[in-house]
This record gives sequence, structure tokens and C-alpha cells, in this order.
Amino acid sequence: GAVVSQHPSRVICKSGTSVKIECRSLDFQATTMFWYRQFPKQSLMLMATSNEGSKATYEQGVEKDKFLINHASLTLSTLTVTSAHPEDSSFYICSARDRAGATWRTDTQYFGPGTRLTVL
Amino acid sequence: AQTVTQSQPEMSVQEAETVTLSCTYDTSENNYYLFWYKQPPSRQMILVIRQEAYKQQNATENRFSVNFQKAAKSFSLKISDSQLGDTAMYFCAYTGANSKLTFGKGITLSVRP
Repeated sequence: GAVVSQHPSRVICKSGTSVKIECRSLDFQATTMFWYRQFPKQSLMLMATSNEGSKATYEQGVEKDKFLINHASLTLSTLTVTSAHPEDSSFYICSARDRAGATWRTDTQYFGPGTRLTVL
Repeated sequence: AQTVTQSQPEMSVQEAETVTLSCTYDTSENNYYLFWYKQPPSRQMILVIRQEAYKQQNATENRFSVNFQKAAKSFSLKISDSQLGDTAMYFCAYTGANSKLTFGKGITLSVRP
């Protein structure tokens, strides 16, 4: 249980184009999903928190117009990197929290496998 | 604000031996959860073990166990009978009332054959 998928796993795009990354909870409903960015051999940096049906909350320093987040259903959140540039190249990871069940499930984040974005 | 500190950047252990990874944290909250996540070369984050702060008993999951010292704000991970597949980056993490995960910098663990 508690499986999270991400698609695509790897994407290469030209500078100036937009890229959409999908994050799905496969066997549970997620009220909250999180988006992280990770540079090689570094820790995860939280970019934003998305709640189903409401606007995402962005961390300080994250451009909300560049990183558009939509959480349209209890099982799907999307991150769109708009007008991507080489400095946006990174590993993007999503996570999801279970909506129901024991408290420990609602306070545990389950992670997707990540998406490697390369902007040329 | 909460902080999580992993001061050892790297560790190495012989296969079948035991290794302990250190983690300290700082918080003013009384109710929170602590986690150890493993990130192997595939970069998939895998939950290793979880500890509720209100529970005094240390969590265990097969070969993995924690030493949770709430007063000292310490949360170390012990891996027994280390296996080659344990080679990964390990992150200690905290979550409290705001539901966000605060990660430590991580430690790279190498298991030698």
C-alpha cells in the first residue's frame, strides 16, 4: 500500500518550453501533496504544498508563476515548469499524505520515484 | 522553526556488521513524528522507520531500530546485519503541526562486501 507514481521519470526539453509532471497516489486518497526539488547529493528542498481543490502554498523564494501546481483530485497533482531554463534542471520529487486511516498514516509522506528534468 | 541535524556526511560498514546513524533535532512542539528515509541510487525515497514522539518505546522494523531520546532530542538509526542493498543516502526527518517534513542533510552509507 501507499504507492505514489510520477510521470514522466525523465524529460529533456528546450529552453523556453513548458513541462508538466504528474504525481498520482495509486492506492489511497491524498488530501495533501508536496513538491520537492533535489540537487545531486543534497537534501530535499520543499517547493510547495498542494491541497485538493485549493491553491498551492509556495515556500519562500519559489516563483509561483514559474512552478504552477494543480491538485484537481484526491489522487492527482501536477507541477508545470513554465518557460523552463537550464537553471531549472533538477530532480523533482512529489509526495502524498494519506487522507484517512490511523493518525500515523496521515502524518507520513509517501514519495514518488522522481522526475529528472534537463533543460537544454 | 524546527531543525534536523545529521553531522556525519558519510559512513562505511562491513557487510553483516551493525552501524548507527546519528540525528538530532530541535523543536518546541510536544507532538511530532520522526522518520528515517532511505534514498538508494535509484533516488526513490523509501520510508525506513517512523517514531511517534508520544511513544516511549523505540520503533523497530526488522533489521532497523531507533534509539529515541526525547529529552536529548536525539533520534539515531541502528542497522543490524548490514546488507549490500542498504547502501544508500539516509535522511532523518521531522514533521509537526504544520505537516511539513524537515529533512537533515543526509548521510551516505556504504556497505562493503
